[in-house]
Amino acid sequence: QKEVEQNSGPLSVPEGAIASLNCTYSDRGSQSFFWYRQYSGKSPELIMFIYSNGDKEDGRFTAQLNKASQYVSLLIRDSQPSDSATYLCAVRMVRFGAGTRLTVKP
Amino acid sequence: EAGVAQSPRYKIIEKRQSVAFWCNPISGHATLYWYQQILGQGPKLLIQFQNNGVVDDSQLPKDRFSAERLKGVDSTLKIQPAKLEDSAVYLCASSPPTGTDQETQYFGPGTRLLVL
Repeated sequence: QKEVEQNSGPLSVPEGAIASLNCTYSDRGSQSFFWYRQYSGKSPELIMFIYSNGDKEDGRFTAQLNKASQYVSLLIRDSQPSDSATYLCAVRMVRFGAGTRLTVKP
Repeated sequence: EAGVAQSPRYKIIEKRQSVAFWCNPISGHATLYWYQQILGQGPKLLIQFQNNGVVDDSQLPKDRFSAERLKGVDSTLKIQPAKLEDSAVYLCASSPPTGTDQETQYFGPGTRLLVL
C-alpha cells in the first residue's frame, strides 16, 4: 500500500464548476497534510495545509480532513482555466502522492 | 527575497557517468530537502538536512547517491554511477527554522537530468 494515494486523473471540469480532488494516506499517526499545485514544467507551490479535522477555507480553495477515514480532499470553487495543473497531496510535508491532473475547460 | 537556487538547470549524461547538482537555499532557512521527481510521479524525498545534520535519508539509494550540506547552507547531491532510471527532475527545497513559518517549504526550479 502506498503511503499517499491519489486518483491520477485526468479530471476535467467546465469553467465555473467545483473541482474535487481526493487523497488517502496510510499512516494513521500523520498530523499534517498539504496540497501543492504544479504547473507543467514547473516546481510545486503550496496551496494550503491543514492539521485539524474539518474544513479550512482560503479563497476559492477548501481543504477537508477526516483523520478517522484517513482522507483529505481539496475543493476548488469557481474553477478557472488557470487552475489547470497537477495537484499534489503531501503528508507530513515530505511524503507526496502521484498527483491528480486537473483540466478546466473554458 | 531570493528564492532557492539550483544549478545546473539541465544535464545530459551517459549511463555510468557521474553528475553533481548544487542547491543554495533561501537565506536563514535551516532545513533543506532534495527530491527526485520522475515524470508522471510525485516528488520523492531523497534526503532532508536540518542545518548540516541529516534528518531523513531513508529513501536515498546510498550505493550511488550521496549528499552533503557543509556549513549548513549550500548543498550538493551526487550520483555515481548514473543509471537510466535516474532520469528525473531533482528538486531542492528549503523551509524556515522551527517556530516560524515552519510548515512551508519553498522549491527551487529543479535540475532536469537525462541519462542516455
